Amino acid sequence: AQSVAQPEDQVNVAEGNPLTVKCTYSVSGNPYLFWYVQYPNRGLQFLLKYITGDNLVKGSYGFEAEFNKSQTSFHLKKPSALVSDSALYFCAVRDGTDWVTGGGNKLTFGTGTQLKVEL
Amino acid sequence: DAGVTQSPTHLIKTRGQQVTLRCSPKSGHDTVSWYQQALGQGPQFIFQYYEEEERQRGNFPDRFSGHQFPNYSSELNVNALLLGDSALYLCASSLTREWGLEQYFGPGTRLTVT
Repeated sequence: AQSVAQPEDQVNVAEGNPLTVKCTYSVSGNPYLFWYVQYPNRGLQFLLKYITGDNLVKGSYGFEAEFNKSQTSFHLKKPSALVSDSALYFCAVRDGTDWVTGGGNKLTFGTGTQLKVEL
Repeated sequence: DAGVTQSPTHLIKTRGQQVTLRCSPKSGHDTVSWYQQALGQGPQFIFQYYEEEERQRGNFPDRFSGHQFPNYSSELNVNALLLGDSALYLCASSLTREWGLEQYFGPGTRLTVT
């Protein structure tokens, strides 16, 4: 079984300050990790992913995330937050061996973290 | 390049009724997944279709069924609707041969059961 924990329901940050949204995961095989963002009454928009390689991955809109295997974490970061970054952020994990063993590529999501960036 | 499209946008049904939701994948994608997102929750995986067959299924009852057509589009059917089925239903598509490819999500169908 795979699972994702997002320990913070809400993160508040001032515009221009750095932001971090936390995520930890559990998966039996190789972790494929994703961050998605959701704006009100909208679907999910892909931000970035970790599949393999460099532990620091860069994504859309200046976001980046650091994969830490020993801590089973994949925290989302941005050096300077914007008011327009205010949205609901979801971390998701996939078992990278699933497809090889005949399974699919289902995503397991966390409960989401509401990011609020204020002036 | 058209993204993932879903129809209808909103739907109101009564308990006990049946509903069909539709999804067209992103151009070039061959795999479709369905997720249920209840209010204030993260999306929950329902099932995934590839080559017109259900390849993977989450913990949802048999009232939830689906279909994939030769053009890769998909339908989600829910029978005997319950109040608890009220949610945003998201369709996502991906490309099988690209194992590491992210799933692309549609805007969702908001289902309200009264």
